[in-house]
Amino acid sequence: EAGVAQSPRYKIIEKRQSVAFWCNPISGHATLYWYQQILGQGPKLLIQFQNNGVVDDSQLPKDRFSAERLKGVDSTLKIQPAKLEDSAVYLCASTLRDSGEAFFGQGTRLTVV
Amino acid sequence: AQSVTQLGSHVSVSEGALVLLRCNYSSSVPPYLFWYVQYPNQGLQLLLKYTSAATLVKGINGFEAEFKKSETSFHLTKPSAHMSDAAEYFCAVGGNNRLAFGKGNQVVVIP
Repeated sequence: EAGVAQSPRYKIIEKRQSVAFWCNPISGHATLYWYQQILGQGPKLLIQFQNNGVVDDSQLPKDRFSAERLKGVDSTLKIQPAKLEDSAVYLCASTLRDSGEAFFGQGTRLTVV
Repeated sequence: AQSVTQLGSHVSVSEGALVLLRCNYSSSVPPYLFWYVQYPNQGLQLLLKYTSAATLVKGINGFEAEFKKSETSFHLTKPSAHMSDAAEYFCAVGGNNRLAFGKGNQVVVIP
């Protein structure tokens, strides 16, 4: 079974620029998560989708972050404009059901300079 | 709402010694509990999970964890540390279609 795919693996941008990350979850997984992991901290949930609907986006900085999951499959996360404090690893994960484990992609390491 | 507390961000253990990582959780619904491991520049990999079956759960690489409802704990142990166990470990609590992570423990194994 193919895992969760994320791209790009690394991205360096200047502050105030925009950036987009892509995630393709495991086939058939209805729930998709985007997490932000700042160095030395645990993953922080940004947004959670159930199929193509948003379940939780309470910690998403909506003035600069946006995400979509068209057709309930792959998803994109966008930051516009980026700030220095957005430097982090952005992890995508998917689950088949509520009690199931979350499968993670390798993440996108964003550096904002 | 769910939350996880992991104390002690860095844990040093001698090779061959017991590894013990503590996790306490809070959940408004019966929890599902997970331990994940993260190696440098990698995503998170599941070590083990508790989903309301046996309270003592065995995982990969010799790790195990015990669910104690009375103590709201799910501590991770391994009897004998190996150099390859050096990594970051995260406890997570799920339920009601939510999944929350602790801040993690960076494990350093001393030869």
